[in-house]
Amino acid sequence: ETGVTQTPRHLVMGMTNKKSLKCEQHLGHNAMYWYKQSAKKPLELMFVYSLEERVENNSVPSRFSPECPNSSHLFLHLHTLQPEDSALYLCASSLAGGPPDTQYFGPGTRLTVL
Amino acid sequence: KNEVEQSPQNLTAQEGEFITINCSYSVGISALHWLQQHPGGGIVSLFMLSSGKKKHGRLIATINIQEKHSSLHITASHPRDSAVYICAVPETSGSRLTFGEGTQLTVNP
Repeated sequence: ETGVTQTPRHLVMGMTNKKSLKCEQHLGHNAMYWYKQSAKKPLELMFVYSLEERVENNSVPSRFSPECPNSSHLFLHLHTLQPEDSALYLCASSLAGGPPDTQYFGPGTRLTVL
Repeated sequence: KNEVEQSPQNLTAQEGEFITINCSYSVGISALHWLQQHPGGGIVSLFMLSSGKKKHGRLIATINIQEKHSSLHITASHPRDSAVYICAVPETSGSRLTFGEGTQLTVNP
C-alpha cells in the first residue's frame, strides 16, 4: 500500500467514549500532521511531528492527545469529546518538517460526536 | 499571521469553460500551494510554486510575488473537475500553513 492511509474512515462516538484515529504513511517522510476541518471552515492545523518529536501544538484542547511512535505512524487519541469536535480529521505527511514542502494528505476520518 | 483570501467562494461552470480561481495573501512568502479536495474529503496537492507559472495537464497555476496574488486556471473544464480548490501559504515561522476557505467549483455537463 502506498501514500497516506487513515483508519477508520468514519467514526461515531459518544461524549464519554475513548477512541483513536490512526494514520500511516508509506512515503518515507519525516514529518506528519493532524488537521481538523469543520464544516464551511478552512483547514486548521492541530499538531506537527518531525522525526517523531512534536514540534507544534496549535492550542488544541487536551481531550485530543497525539502519539507518534515512529516516523510512519501517527495516532490521535480522543476522550470526552464534545459535539463541536465533530469534523473531518485529516492526516498529512511531508519529507521534512517545515513549509514549503509539499504535504501529502490521507483520505480523512469523518468524526461525529453525539 | 498571513491572511489568505480566495475568490470566488462558489463557482458554477458549463463543461468546456475556462475557469479562474484567485488567491491573495498578506505577507510575503517563499512558495504557495494549490490543493484539490473532492467530495469524499481527500486532499490532493496540485501545485507548489514560488514564481512564474506551472502547468500540469489542463491545470495552470501562476503567481505574482510582488502583488501577493496567485491564480489557478482550468482549461476545457470537465465535470470531474468539480471539487473544492484550496490555496495555502506558509506562516512566517514554524511549520504551519495557512489555508484559504476554498472555492467550491461545480462543472455541469
